[in-house]
Amino acid sequence: AQTVTQSQPEMSVQEAETVTLSCTYDTSESDYYLFWYKQPPSRQMILVIRQEAYKQQNATENRFSVNFQKAAKSFSLKISDSQLGDAAMYFCAYRSAVTGTASKLTFGTGTRLQVTL
Amino acid sequence: SQTIHQWPATLVQPVGSPLSLECTVEGTSNPNLYWYRQAAGRGLQLLFYSVGIGQISSEVPQNLSASRPQDRQFILSSKKLLLSDSGFYLCAWRRGLNQPQHFGDGTRLSIL
Repeated sequence: AQTVTQSQPEMSVQEAETVTLSCTYDTSESDYYLFWYKQPPSRQMILVIRQEAYKQQNATENRFSVNFQKAAKSFSLKISDSQLGDAAMYFCAYRSAVTGTASKLTFGTGTRLQVTL
Repeated sequence: SQTIHQWPATLVQPVGSPLSLECTVEGTSNPNLYWYRQAAGRGLQLLFYSVGIGQISSEVPQNLSASRPQDRQFILSSKKLLLSDSGFYLCAWRRGLNQPQHFGDGTRLSIL
């Protein structure tokens, strides 16, 4: 079974600065997807960014980018130019690409990000 | 565009009462549907998923059940709620092999 580990329960960053959230995972599969979801106080789960394991190029979405290290099974999220609206819980998630698995997501326990002035 | 609706937003129920949470998806057909529970301060735990009408897979043994009476409708139920059923329940859908899951706004369930 796959596991996802987020070792940072809480992180803090100053507005306009850069912060990196860590995520590691364990799997025996070679093809899979990785995601970062954001959960603000409203409790919605919002997709931030995703990465296909077969792609070597790191995904980027505006101020959000990932550092995907497949051999190390590491998938960190970098938030540049942090804004107050970035304050939220961030969840790393894994999904198998194997057909027939119904694309179940396995989530980490989350990192609470605080953004200070 | 596709949208997902989940209701109610908040629910307070006494122990031993029944439960019915509903989730519907619009703008797509034959989606995969999911029910998750999030305990306070913790990550999401997958409860049920469905790949089609009437097809339900359970991930965690519990006193909850799920049903999919229509293609875009997913219902989470219980005959008798327990205190441990308190939490935040999220419905999600996915369409396409390489597509991410998209979540509803969630239901905060408090059991008294």
